[in-house]
Amino acid sequence: SQQGEEDPQALSIQEGENATMNCSYKTSINNLQWYRQNSGRGLVHLILIRSNEREKHSGRLRVTLDTSKKSSSLLITASRAADTASYFCATPPGGAGSYQLTFGKGTKLSVIP
Amino acid sequence: NAGVTQTPKFRVLKTGQSMTLLCAQDMNHEYMYWYRQDPGMGLRLIHYSVGEGTTAKGEVPDGYNVSRLKKQNFLLGLESAAPSQTSVYFCASSYADLPLHFGNGTRLTVT
Repeated sequence: SQQGEEDPQALSIQEGENATMNCSYKTSINNLQWYRQNSGRGLVHLILIRSNEREKHSGRLRVTLDTSKKSSSLLITASRAADTASYFCATPPGGAGSYQLTFGKGTKLSVIP
Repeated sequence: NAGVTQTPKFRVLKTGQSMTLLCAQDMNHEYMYWYRQDPGMGLRLIHYSVGEGTTAKGEVPDGYNVSRLKKQNFLLGLESAAPSQTSVYFCASSYADLPLHFGNGTRLTVT
């Protein structure tokens, strides 16, 4: 069963605009991770945010986490054509020593030059 | 530093045939995982391993077997392939709750 669900399923923007993707999850978590997948490639880790953090930045990426709403958002600022990819949120199950991630279905982002 | 390497990259099987997918990592990670990715379904966990000699079932384990005889290798076996196993298979590894490192996938078609 899917733990995380991304929204929207697809997003198309112009280069230079900001892109926001959302993730909702069902159970309590220790951390939430965002990954990117370019077409035909494996997933690449972007950011990990722990349950006691509310916001995290990495370059043009900003991730927020609201544990009360069980939701997270990924913001990509000043988007580039190279940001075109699918973006996934992933969460581990609760409980000590449980690290296997459950992925959502992803948001497909298209950045138009 | 190769990271996670999957072989083969592509494979076509006939229904009923068997095959083994190999995953190798050179990062000394304890945890290794096999996922499948189907259109519109995201990634689903097949099996995983928390260390050499150990394996556990994930969300969709039926029709697959795995082995972790060496820490750096995680093998995924299909004993009798079915068209429903047509998918892209990804291997990943990690250290505890740190981020996963993925291979570039194996595209399997079962006719």
